[in-house]
Amino acid sequence: DVKVTQSSRYLVKRTGEKVFLECVQDMDHENMFWYRQDPGLGLRLIYFSYDVKMKEKGDIPEGYSVSREKKERFSLILESASTNQTSMYLCASSLSASGGAQSYNEQFFGPGTRLTVL
Amino acid sequence: ELKVEQNPLFLSMQEGKNYTIYCNYSTTSDRLYWYRQDPGKSLESLFVLLSNGAVKQEGRLMASLDTKARLSTLHITAAVHDLSATYFCAVDSTSGTYKYIFGTGTRLKVLA
Repeated sequence: DVKVTQSSRYLVKRTGEKVFLECVQDMDHENMFWYRQDPGLGLRLIYFSYDVKMKEKGDIPEGYSVSREKKERFSLILESASTNQTSMYLCASSLSASGGAQSYNEQFFGPGTRLTVL
Repeated sequence: ELKVEQNPLFLSMQEGKNYTIYCNYSTTSDRLYWYRQDPGKSLESLFVLLSNGAVKQEGRLMASLDTKARLSTLHITAAVHDLSATYFCAVDSTSGTYKYIFGTGTRLKVLA
């Protein structure tokens, strides 16, 4: 089974702190994703990465950065945490689609980190 | 702009009843995914639908895909309380990346 783990289930930080959220997957997936989930707003993509050291902005990258130094690990960084970054953060990974009619891109999600910024 | 719309957004149903959740999307994507999320938990993959006419079933849940209508349905048969959760559909972005576009989610509550 694919396993995606996140470093913390719950995290409380203060405004202005630098916050690191870590995500590790054990299935040699090329693609990794960071989402945030807020009531009424659904899941929103922050950043994703399709290879080591490669990253692309998602829909809401402002206030965040990411790092992917190793294939299995994708880190989300809040440079200076703010209260509006209080949210549930979900990491996911997927295998690159190989092309063709039956290829697909099923994403597997970690357990989530509930971050509270005071 | 690619949109994925689910309806209903909220669904309260009695145990034993049948119901269908609808997922409409606005692109030509022919791959659609269904996920379940329990309160306070992460997303669990339920179904991957890869082509027009695809049908998958697991227990009391059955998902189907009509790419011509750009519609997927998640049918619940004889609902039980354990099915209470939020259900999301997602389609692959057509931008050449591996991004998903998620639907809004349907919060299902099955009443005993």
